Amino acid sequence: DAGVTQSPTHLIKTRGQHVTLRCSPISGHKSVSWYQQVLGQGPQFIFQYYEKEERGRGNFPDRFSARQFPNYSSELNVNALLLGDSALYLCASSFLRANYGYTFGSGTRLTVV
Amino acid sequence: GDSVTQMEGPVTLSEEAFLTINCTYTATGYPSLFWYVQYPGEGLQLLLKATKADDKGSNKGFEATYRKETTSFHLEKGSVQVSDSAVYFCALSHLSNFGNEKLTFGTGTRLTIIP
Repeated sequence: DAGVTQSPTHLIKTRGQHVTLRCSPISGHKSVSWYQQVLGQGPQFIFQYYEKEERGRGNFPDRFSARQFPNYSSELNVNALLLGDSALYLCASSFLRANYGYTFGSGTRLTVV
Repeated sequence: GDSVTQMEGPVTLSEEAFLTINCTYTATGYPSLFWYVQYPGEGLQLLLKATKADDKGSNKGFEATYRKETTSFHLEKGSVQVSDSAVYFCALSHLSNFGNEKLTFGTGTRLTIIP
């Protein structure tokens, strides 16, 4: 089985631009979460979706939004990019409960210049 | 709110040395506890987990015991290998019936094993 796949793996954007990051969960996993990992720090929770509904939102500005599609894949959108948005964005999927353990993708490295 | 505190890194050990990475947490109720590992250029991999007090999680020679009384979940390994070099993250999560089970991570501990 394929793991959690994220695209693109790397991208460079200019301040003020918009970016869309994509995630495909493991087959059968209905929960998808997004995390931001700034260099040298632990991942910070952004969103969680389960069954296409938003179930949790972290302390991030409204410039960040996400959605989950009927096939359980997900997109993370960030508007009006700032230099501080430069980070590794991780997607994680789980069958349902966190105690099964989330499976993480390799991430998208976003650089804002 | 929830928080996880890990020992400061980086940690450098010789091959076959004993490893301990300390982790303590602050949370209400009875969270589930996890150790994740991140190899260079990769995402996070679940190393082990424990879902209730006194549970011991183990995997690949690593162990951690959920200590409710000391709110700790220290990671240990009896004999480390060069391939164990990575960044280790302690994390917690609360079970929920509503699907909102975010992970709260510590800042990570970078481990380097010298041959």
